[in-house]
Amino acid sequence: GENVEQHPSTLSVQEGDSAVIKCTYSDSASNYFPWYKQELGKGPQLIIDIRSNVGEKKDQRIAVTLNKTAKHFSLHITETQPEDSAVYFCAASINNDMRFGAGTRLTVKP
Amino acid sequence: DTEVTQTPKHLVMGMTNKKSLKCEQHMGHRAMYWYKQKAKKPPELMFVYSYEKLSINESVPSRFSPECPNSSLLNLHLHALQPEDSALYLCASSPSGASGGGGYNEQFFGPGTRLTVL
Repeated sequence: GENVEQHPSTLSVQEGDSAVIKCTYSDSASNYFPWYKQELGKGPQLIIDIRSNVGEKKDQRIAVTLNKTAKHFSLHITETQPEDSAVYFCAASINNDMRFGAGTRLTVKP
Repeated sequence: DTEVTQTPKHLVMGMTNKKSLKCEQHMGHRAMYWYKQKAKKPPELMFVYSYEKLSINESVPSRFSPECPNSSLLNLHLHALQPEDSALYLCASSPSGASGGGGYNEQFFGPGTRLTVL
């Protein structure tokens, strides 16, 4: 089955700096790659996603890149703010079967 | 209505109790999911319902029994649970079933039910 690895497990940045989180996946059949933000006591919130026929996608301060050949995808957050502090999960999906990475705890220091 | 709702928010039960978790969405989504999330871990897929039929069961013990009465509702019936089953149980929904959407299926999560088994 699909195996998703996510790095780093923790990331601390200064407000205004950029943050990058990287994931790899094992199953070349995976075709959908969402990113979720989870705050304490809440369910995961979809923040951006990318499909296998696209290499890059941007939404304001958030961007995601996908390298299908290398089976890598990454989340980039620019101009970080304290409210970006949360746990971020990457995931890889085939049809409705979605597998998550282990998560990255991002802390943005004011 | 653009959200997934779950009840109850918190549940404490003994190992001999029978209880149910409920999930509801009114977005017209055709797939619904149950996930289990332990502290500081990612969500783990338990069950997927596509067009009200069980399409994925990740070898979950029979003490967890899912039910999909209609396209808007998803239940998880609990019986004879163990303390290690204590976790956050998340429900999600997505617009298309397994064969629809080209496989690109955004999943939207509810807030979860925090379950404690004593």
